[in-house]
Amino acid sequence: SYELTQPPSVSVSPGQTARITCSGDALPKKYAYWYQQKSGQAPVLVIYEDSKRPSGIPERFSGSSSGTMATLTISGAQVEDEADYYCYSTDSSGNHNVFGTGTKVTVL
Amino acid sequence: QVQLVQSGAEVKKPGASVKVSCKASGYTFTSYDINWVRQATGQGLEWMGWMNPNSGNTGYAQKFQGRVTMTRNTSISTAYMELSSLRSEDTAVYYCARGTGDYVDYWGQGTLVTVSS
Repeated sequence: SYELTQPPSVSVSPGQTARITCSGDALPKKYAYWYQQKSGQAPVLVIYEDSKRPSGIPERFSGSSSGTMATLTISGAQVEDEADYYCYSTDSSGNHNVFGTGTKVTVL
Repeated sequence: QVQLVQSGAEVKKPGASVKVSCKASGYTFTSYDINWVRQATGQGLEWMGWMNPNSGNTGYAQKFQGRVTMTRNTSISTAYMELSSLRSEDTAVYYCARGTGDYVDYWGQGTLVTVSS
């Protein structure tokens, strides 16, 4: 089955830049989406179609994709950005969606 | 505003089935897919499948094929997810989420399903 691989954890100091990667074989042809999930809450979409930001999401969140890797960047990370982050995409057939393995971002 | 309100927590015995509901409001129910995602305690998100409320068409993750059934009642804008032959590994929070084709945007509050003898 299709898999999206992320690093388990990323640590960053407040005001610094955090980068979270997501690796998948179908990413050259399929969009990546990114969700933020804070403890005890439902996920929230922070990036769609590789690099677009939904309304209400701070500008410090950005996304990019190149080849088999998509990247979520948090520029000037804030303490409130501490959360789990998941990429989301579909396999080459477009029939089976999958979440990445998840990355815990710590800001301290 | 878009809202997805799910049914309450369930406790089931191994081998039983569970049916979780998801009532949509604030948009046209038949215009967007409903996806189901689950999350075991301390674990990641797991996509289970989708349903088109207009046609009733479904697509299930291979892992759940044969055990999951997604249905809807358009008259009350409600989607359902039924999982059968429950085992302890199915203990998780189950979310419904509105789908826009390639991704999901709005989520329900989650329903905890506990499988225990």
